Amino acid sequence: QVQLVESGGGVVQPGGSLRLSCAASGFSFSTFGMYWVRLAPGKGLEWMAFMWYDGTVKYYADSVKGRFTISRDNSKNTLYLEMNTLRLEDTALYYCAKPITEYGDYGDPLAIWGQGTMVAVSS
Amino acid sequence: DIVMTQSPDSLAVSLGERATINCRSSQSLFYSPNKKNYLAWYQQKPGQPPKLLTYWASTRESGVPDRFSGSGSGTDFTLTISSLQAEDVAVYYCQQYYGIPLTFGGGTKVEIK
Repeated sequence: QVQLVESGGGVVQPGGSLRLSCAASGFSFSTFGMYWVRLAPGKGLEWMAFMWYDGTVKYYADSVKGRFTISRDNSKNTLYLEMNTLRLEDTALYYCAKPITEYGDYGDPLAIWGQGTMVAVSS
Repeated sequence: DIVMTQSPDSLAVSLGERATINCRSSQSLFYSPNKKNYLAWYQQKPGQPPKLLTYWASTRESGVPDRFSGSGSGTDFTLTISSLQAEDVAVYYCQQYYGIPLTFGGGTKVEIK
């Protein structure tokens, strides 16, 4: 079945870096754009980034632009989120998600979500 | 940015009764060329990832019980649970996918009265 499994979360000091991974299975990963979304403690869902199926187009939330980088390796069916210059307010559960439509741009609902990986930024 | 405003923040409903959640966007989510509203609803239970319930404002996702229905157009949308069940206790979010940045409502917590 369709599955997304995030990993790479952990505890990091402010200013530090982490690289999150999202391993996809059960569908044709290379034909779908992919999203990162986070849920901070006591807050609501916040979209972080989206990347086209072929990696040629990327969009970011202003809160992470210039600090986070979304990337993918279609040969490994894996999506990544490189997180640099981490701040206390980046503490959250990070989810990757898949849309309904193949070859689509960002305008599609998030149909499948992973279980998430926790990032805690703390001194 | 398109701001999504949900109401109420929380809601307590008796089992078997109707629950109604509202969502308003700061600009229209209706795209005339395809006549679609770029609005989705998600359910998130404790310890679980969000689950897609409805999209294009009123299309129910496969496998979602028919007691869940989405309605509305333009800037005003509603998620209705026609007969609340115990397993429906969750936080519900609306989300627009009309423009970047994609944005979510603040969430509505649904509990049993």
